[in-house]
Amino acid sequence: DAGVIQSPRHEVTEMGQEVTLRCKPISGHNSLFWYRQTMMRGLELLIYFNNNVPIDDSGMPEDRFSAKMPNASFSTLKIQPSEPRDSAVYFCASSLVQGIANEKLFFGSGTQLSVL
Amino acid sequence: LAKTTQPISMDSYEGQEVNITCSHNNIATNDYITWYQQFPSQGPRFIIQGYKTKVTNEVASLFIPADRKSSTLSLPRVSLSDTAVYYCLVASQAGTALIFGKGTTLSVSS
Repeated sequence: DAGVIQSPRHEVTEMGQEVTLRCKPISGHNSLFWYRQTMMRGLELLIYFNNNVPIDDSGMPEDRFSAKMPNASFSTLKIQPSEPRDSAVYFCASSLVQGIANEKLFFGSGTQLSVL
Repeated sequence: LAKTTQPISMDSYEGQEVNITCSHNNIATNDYITWYQQFPSQGPRFIIQGYKTKVTNEVASLFIPADRKSSTLSLPRVSLSDTAVYYCLVASQAGTALIFGKGTTLSVSS
């Protein structure tokens, strides 16, 4: 398996522009997570999906952020409009939840976002 | 969610055994303890998971005392490549959001 695939690896944009980050989870996994990592705040959970349905989006910073999972093999995280403080590494992770607690997250390589 | 506390940083030398302890005083009956490792410019990677007593795999050992209020990740004979951030997570219900703390930054020197 290729693992969790994120694109692009790097994104540089100007303030006010729309940014779309993409994620392909591991085939067969039924949960997908979006995290953001900065030096100051560490690894923050933004939103997670179970069976393509958003379960908890309380970590989404504000209305400028939105996430979708139209099917089991694809998810997007969109920022519109982007701001310099959104600069961070954005990670996508997936897992297989089988009704027990011992789930393991598999992370992608991340997208390094720089908003100028 | 059980709150976890672990040291911010630790230093070690190659060949030594490193033990990183995580406190989780309010761990619930159904909670599992999971450790992840993160190298620079990479996403976290699962290392080991346990519920009680001791778990060992090819990478590390996890020691959990009877009261389960803490756990210790043991890395035998570390090398320079073990320099990373190590996170301790506690989660119970399947599908529960997994929250990462600040982690422990381990620096291994030659």
